[in-house]
Amino acid sequence: AQRVTQPEKLLSVFKGAPVELKCNYSYSGSPELFWYVQYSRQRLQLLLRHISRESIKGFTADLNKGETSFHLKKPFAQEEDSAMYYCALSRLSGGYNKLIFGAGTRLAVHP
Amino acid sequence: KAGVTQTPRYLIKTRGQQVTLSCSPISGHRSVSWYQQTPGQGLQFLFEYFSETQRNKGNFPGRFSGRQFSNSRSEMNVSTLELGDSALYLCASSDQDSTYFGPGTRLTVT
Repeated sequence: AQRVTQPEKLLSVFKGAPVELKCNYSYSGSPELFWYVQYSRQRLQLLLRHISRESIKGFTADLNKGETSFHLKKPFAQEEDSAMYYCALSRLSGGYNKLIFGAGTRLAVHP
Repeated sequence: KAGVTQTPRYLIKTRGQQVTLSCSPISGHRSVSWYQQTPGQGLQFLFEYFSETQRNKGNFPGRFSGRQFSNSRSEMNVSTLELGDSALYLCASSDQDSTYFGPGTRLTVT
């Protein structure tokens, strides 16, 4: 079965603390993994994808195929990072735009 | 480029009625997908259209249908509305690199 699991509904940290949002997946085949973010009153937007191996807004995520994980990390959280974060997967091939989302984790960064 | 637009933004319907939601993708994008977002079920894929053809379909009943026009604009229709259809319906358009979401249509069924 194709599934994305985000075990934490809420992650609450203080400004400057490290952040790790967990994501595990189940997929038969080669998936492409994504992190999407939704800030308050804004639309859902792509944060990063595993194939680009970028760091966006200080966030990084590494695909671990052995552990079937794609955890999102940031060494020093900022208040503006407070948002809803969704892990998602899709089939790794062109022309297949079906995203399977996890339930989401709300990150709250306190001053 | 203008982003993905959806109309209407808010809608209130009664059980048993039908509703049509509209989506205009980013110019040049030929793929349009629809998602349902609810507090209980989260974000769930409804279907995807590419060049006027349904290419992928999620696990929703036949009451949910869609179509895409030659200009890539898309509509989704829900017939015989149920209370459980109350949700935020998101449209997304995709190019080869990324998927971009619209602001959503908030449907309330009473």
